[in-house]
Amino acid sequence: DTEVTQTPKHLVMGMTNKKSLKCEQHMGHRAMYWYKQKAKKPPELMFVYSYEKLSINESVPSRFSPECPNSSLLNLHLHALQPEDSALYLCASSPQGSGAYNEQFFGPGTRLTVL
Amino acid sequence: AQSVTQLDSQVPVFEEAPVELRCNYSSSVSVYLFWYVQYPNQGLQLLLKYLSGSTLVKGINGFEAEFNKSQTSFHLRKPSVHISDTAEYFCAVSEDGTSYGKLTFGQGTILTVHP
Repeated sequence: DTEVTQTPKHLVMGMTNKKSLKCEQHMGHRAMYWYKQKAKKPPELMFVYSYEKLSINESVPSRFSPECPNSSLLNLHLHALQPEDSALYLCASSPQGSGAYNEQFFGPGTRLTVL
Repeated sequence: AQSVTQLDSQVPVFEEAPVELRCNYSSSVSVYLFWYVQYPNQGLQLLLKYLSGSTLVKGINGFEAEFNKSQTSFHLRKPSVHISDTAEYFCAVSEDGTSYGKLTFGQGTILTVHP
């Protein structure tokens, strides 16, 4: 298995809802990432997990809560989002931890719309 | 801090013509360089990467790039494009010496191949 999968593909939620995004990889990678990509913009890093521990939080608002239950899974819990949080959320993984030289493998993304 | 500039936001080209997508970076330390492609409503796929060694790097789908340290550039080229190459292309840099693989992306170049 050489891919990163993300579910759901699309998600519409209200500002009072609680939802979760899921990311999974079975390549034995030990680093996993969440990115946010607004329309016509490049991806922006949100969080990095290395060996199941949170390594980087790029000053993301607390309404986004990441979780790494094991080395294959990465979740992003969403609560009380704002319409400006609507974006494509991309998950990525890389081998051997999160060293700068490592290629990152991206999933197809979850398209989130906040009403 | 590192930064990446993609000099062209859009590049139109006819099928079978050559193309060059330009990328310049800024960093105070050694860097690793990547080109990713993103098709509509999809995640990012790695085209090629420069880590060290030969400055001419060959990637998938007939793309290649040349690392020029003195000009801090990493331009992407293809000698003959196909309709299927229509996509958005992102240049990205990761700084050496960091244990966390933080990719900084350029703003992207939309390549449109016309028949």
